[in-house]
Amino acid sequence: EAGVAQSPRYKIIEKRQSVAFWCNPISGHATLYWYQQILGQGPKLLIQFQNNGVVDDSQLPKDRFSAERLKGVDSTLKIQPAKLEDSAVYLCASSSRAPDTQYFGPGTRLTVL
Amino acid sequence: EDQVTQSPEALRLQEGESSSLNCSYTVSGLRGLFWYRQDPGKGPEFLFTLYSAGEEKEKERLKATLTKKESFLHITAPKPEDSATYLCAVRVPGGTGGFKTIFGAGTRLFVKA
Repeated sequence: EAGVAQSPRYKIIEKRQSVAFWCNPISGHATLYWYQQILGQGPKLLIQFQNNGVVDDSQLPKDRFSAERLKGVDSTLKIQPAKLEDSAVYLCASSSRAPDTQYFGPGTRLTVL
Repeated sequence: EDQVTQSPEALRLQEGESSSLNCSYTVSGLRGLFWYRQDPGKGPEFLFTLYSAGEEKEKERLKATLTKKESFLHITAPKPEDSATYLCAVRVPGGTGGFKTIFGAGTRLFVKA
């Protein structure tokens, strides 16, 4: 069974630029999560989708971050404009239902200069 | 406020030297405690889920236990390949989705041959 796929794996941008990350969850998993992991810290949930609807985005900085999951499968997370403090690893996870065990992708390491 | 604290922050062991990692939590209504392993440059890999005090689970050299206030991850006769960051997470009621997952900062384990 294929795992959670993410791309790109690495991204370097200047502050105030825009960036987008892509995630493809495990086949059949209805719930998809985006996490931000700052170096030396545990993952922090940004947004949770159930199929193509948002279930929890309470910790998403909505002035600059947006996410969508249009067909209930793939998802994109966008940052516009980026700030220095956005430098982190962005992890995507999926589960067959919520609440349930979450399976993580390899992450995208973002560096904002 | 729900909190998860892992200790120690880092642990250095000799190969074969058994030890334990601690995850203490202060939450209102635990609905599950998770242990993950995270290798550098990779996403967290699921290890165990524990639901109630007194529960224990084992996998190879790892054994996870749960009490009402903390969980331990016991590592018996570790090998260099066990070197990684071990993350603890709790699932509690809250968030707009009904449940939220809170991660600790992790324990970095180094096992020397």
